[in-house]
Amino acid sequence: GAVVSQHPSWVICKSGTSVKIECRSLDFQATTMFWYRQFPKQSLMLMATSNEGSKATYEQGVEKDKFLINHASLTLSTLTVTSAHPEDSSFYICSASNLQGESSYEQYFGPGTRLTVT
Amino acid sequence: AQSVTQPDIHITVSEGASLELRCNYSYGATPYLFWYVQSPGQGLQLLLKYFSGDTLVQGIKGFEAEFKRSQSSFNLRKPSVHWSDAAEYFCAVGLYNNNDMRFGAGTRLTVKP
Repeated sequence: GAVVSQHPSWVICKSGTSVKIECRSLDFQATTMFWYRQFPKQSLMLMATSNEGSKATYEQGVEKDKFLINHASLTLSTLTVTSAHPEDSSFYICSASNLQGESSYEQYFGPGTRLTVT
Repeated sequence: AQSVTQPDIHITVSEGASLELRCNYSYGATPYLFWYVQSPGQGLQLLLKYFSGDTLVQGIKGFEAEFKRSQSSFNLRKPSVHWSDAAEYFCAVGLYNNNDMRFGAGTRLTVKP
């Protein structure tokens, strides 16, 4: 149980274009989803937290107009990188939580999406 | 300030040897504690977690971790390392609201034959 998928697993796009990454909870309802980015050989940095039906809460220093997050349903959140630039190239990982019982303190992670902007 | 520290950036051990990866945290209250493993280009796999109760936690793949409140530590151990354990290991802490999960910088484990 508690499986999270991401699509695509990798994507290459040209500078100036937009890219959408999907994060789905496959077997549970995710009231909260999180988006992280990870640069090579570095740790995960939280970008934003989204609750179903609400606006996302962005971490300090993360441009909300550049990284658009939508959490329209209890099983799907999307991250859109708008006007991507090479410095946006990174590994993006989502996680989900269902906020029920003891498991509410645990996040279930997706496999990640490798974004390369050329 | 709240922080998670993994003092060792890179550790090399011989196959069959024991392993201990260190993790220290700085939070106002006892957090929830996790250890994750990440293979290159992959997502995170949960090894074990501590919420409350017995301070010695057993996880998957033969790993265990011990929560020591007095030392604000949650070190990961394995008695005998296998070559397949080579990966990046992350300690993470979260507070009750689950919106403040923070990761350590990670420790890269290399296993020598």
